[in-house]
Amino acid sequence: DQQVKQNSPSLSVQEGRISILNCDYTNSMFDYFLWYKKYPAEGPTFLISISSIKDKNEDGRFTVFLNKSAKHLSLHIVPSQPGDSAVYFCAAARSADGQNFVFGPGTRLSVLP
Amino acid sequence: NAGVMQNPRHLVRRRGQEARLRCSPMKGHSHVYWYRQLPEEGLKFMVYLQKENIIDESGMPKERFSAEFPKEGPSILRIQQVVRGDSAAYFCASSLRQGDNSPLHFGNGTRLTVT
Repeated sequence: DQQVKQNSPSLSVQEGRISILNCDYTNSMFDYFLWYKKYPAEGPTFLISISSIKDKNEDGRFTVFLNKSAKHLSLHIVPSQPGDSAVYFCAAARSADGQNFVFGPGTRLSVLP
Repeated sequence: NAGVMQNPRHLVRRRGQEARLRCSPMKGHSHVYWYRQLPEEGLKFMVYLQKENIIDESGMPKERFSAEFPKEGPSILRIQQVVRGDSAAYFCASSLRQGDNSPLHFGNGTRLTVT
């Protein structure tokens, strides 16, 4: 049973345009969410997080939006750059239980020059 | 570089042998997590440890797998009598504390190949 879903396995975007990566979760007890970027043969790199008390968090070109009622979050990257090409993982946890993060299966983003 | 260090980066074992994967967390971090990534899949939680304690091992297979995080030294993920299905990338992560605003920081992983 997948508690965290990323329904698009891949996404292609033109350089300079916006990339929108989506993530859905089923466990309403999750209250802390993160996005990671992963290049081949490297570990995931933390990008941005959001807690359930907020609905938006922004860091430079990266913005995460959280819609608690829809159990949906999204990562916006604008403008997209070729170096953003990687696999993006969404992760969720219930912070009161510790940090047993549940990861989605990932979305492979390709930014075309 | 005070990042999460994992070694070895690549490990080849024959079926039936033991595999030992080591992880040194970021300086100052006392929370360690092990995740496994099978080919073409996402990261699956295995175990969460603090110094000398296993906090959550709900993702660990019941047999052959064990983990420790001693008072001194790195965290060790041990796989006994490896089988081909154990071939995967094993990632260790650490965090400063439990809870909000404390993201996991990952190492570059150990790629285990069982022949």
